[in-house]
Amino acid sequence: GDSVTQMEGPVTLSEEAFLTINCTYTATGYPSLFWYVQYPGEGLQLLLKATKADDKGSNKGFEATYRKETTSFHLEKGSVQVSDSAVYFCALWGDSGAGSYQLTFGKGTKLSVIP
Amino acid sequence: SAVISQKPSRDICQRGTSLTIQCQVDSQVTMMFWYRQQPGQSLTLIATANQGSEATYESGFVIDKFPISRPNLTFSTLTVSNMSPEDSSIYLCSVGVSPDQPQHFGDGTRLSIL
Repeated sequence: GDSVTQMEGPVTLSEEAFLTINCTYTATGYPSLFWYVQYPGEGLQLLLKATKADDKGSNKGFEATYRKETTSFHLEKGSVQVSDSAVYFCALWGDSGAGSYQLTFGKGTKLSVIP
Repeated sequence: SAVISQKPSRDICQRGTSLTIQCQVDSQVTMMFWYRQQPGQSLTLIATANQGSEATYESGFVIDKFPISRPNLTFSTLTVSNMSPEDSSIYLCSVGVSPDQPQHFGDGTRLSIL
């Protein structure tokens, strides 16, 4: 079945540092890929998406490129802020079998940004 | 994107009781999903609730424990039955329009069982 592997956290960075959170996936067919963010005490918000190979999703300074050849969708930001402190989930939306679509999540990476 | 309202936002319940969580969407959607997020963990799909058909449960989740209703295209409920401390989690509903569009989530229901 489909699976998503995310780098283990927690990740602690100083403000204005560069962020990379690695995400790789296993799937049949051509899934859509997403990054969701969960701020403390809140639900999940869609951060960015990419629906086909070589697509680049971007939002709020975050970027991720759908790399089919390496089955990856790494999240990057050039300069993090304290307000970026949250848990980040990589997710795959694909056919889990018999035409049934399902959103498969990675385990999440907790990011803490210190001033 | 759809606006999703979940009620209650949090609750503290006694062991052995049941709680029904409501999910209301501001537009008609075909697909609705219920997830569980245990403390410090990722999300696990409980079931898919499409209007006009019985909910489809994932492995490890059964209808007797988590009965779901989907009476129309804008509303669904999830009941957590006969609760035990192991059911303490965040329960989230999400909606999907089509396979190439992302799901959108409600803010979740934070449930604690004493």
